[in-house]
Amino acid sequence: GAGVSQSPSNKVTEKGKDVELRCDPISGHTALYWYRQRLGQGLEFLIYFQGNSAPDKSGLPSDRFSAERTGESVSTLTIQRTQQEDSAVYLCASSLHLAGQETQYFGPGTRLLVL
Amino acid sequence: KQEVTQIPAALSVPEGENLVLNCSFTDSAIYNLQWFRQDPGKGLTSLLLIQSSQREQTSGRLNASLDKSSGRSTLYIAASQPGDSATYLCAVWGRGSTLGRLYFGRGTQLTVWP
Repeated sequence: GAGVSQSPSNKVTEKGKDVELRCDPISGHTALYWYRQRLGQGLEFLIYFQGNSAPDKSGLPSDRFSAERTGESVSTLTIQRTQQEDSAVYLCASSLHLAGQETQYFGPGTRLLVL
Repeated sequence: KQEVTQIPAALSVPEGENLVLNCSFTDSAIYNLQWFRQDPGKGLTSLLLIQSSQREQTSGRLNASLDKSSGRSTLYIAASQPGDSATYLCAVWGRGSTLGRLYFGRGTQLTVWP
């Protein structure tokens, strides 16, 4: 079966524009996670979804960031009024369940450059 | 907030050497610890997951140990090969109110030359 997929693979945008990043998790995985990796930095947790529970949004850096997930499938991360500091690789991961006894499977990431 | 540190930041060795990568974390109240490999242009690949009740895990030439009380983990790579060249990331799982979050170190960039 397919792994986690993300689109687009690369995105260049102008400061102030909105962008949408998409993640398709592995089929059947109830938990979905978003991370950000800025140049020279470690991965930062942004948000996770677990089934029908309210998502943990505590990692979102500002109210310009939002994410949605349709059931246990596709998720979209939206960044409004992009800033240059938003330039990073945005990684999505999924796991069968939320509990930390299972590995997270990562997608290839979306490389976002804000000019 | 959990802080994860990896040492060294970069390592360059000839093929065949045995290697030790170090990871430390500030809050010992972790759920599990996981080592990943990151290749350029690709996502992360899980190498080993150590549950908090375990002290080590082995997979092929890789062995990871965990000492929760001291907040340390090591990844041992035996008989390194050029194909091992990648960035190795250590991550700890939060528990309680932070369950579901992985806290990552900045990684060790490994180069193995023939």
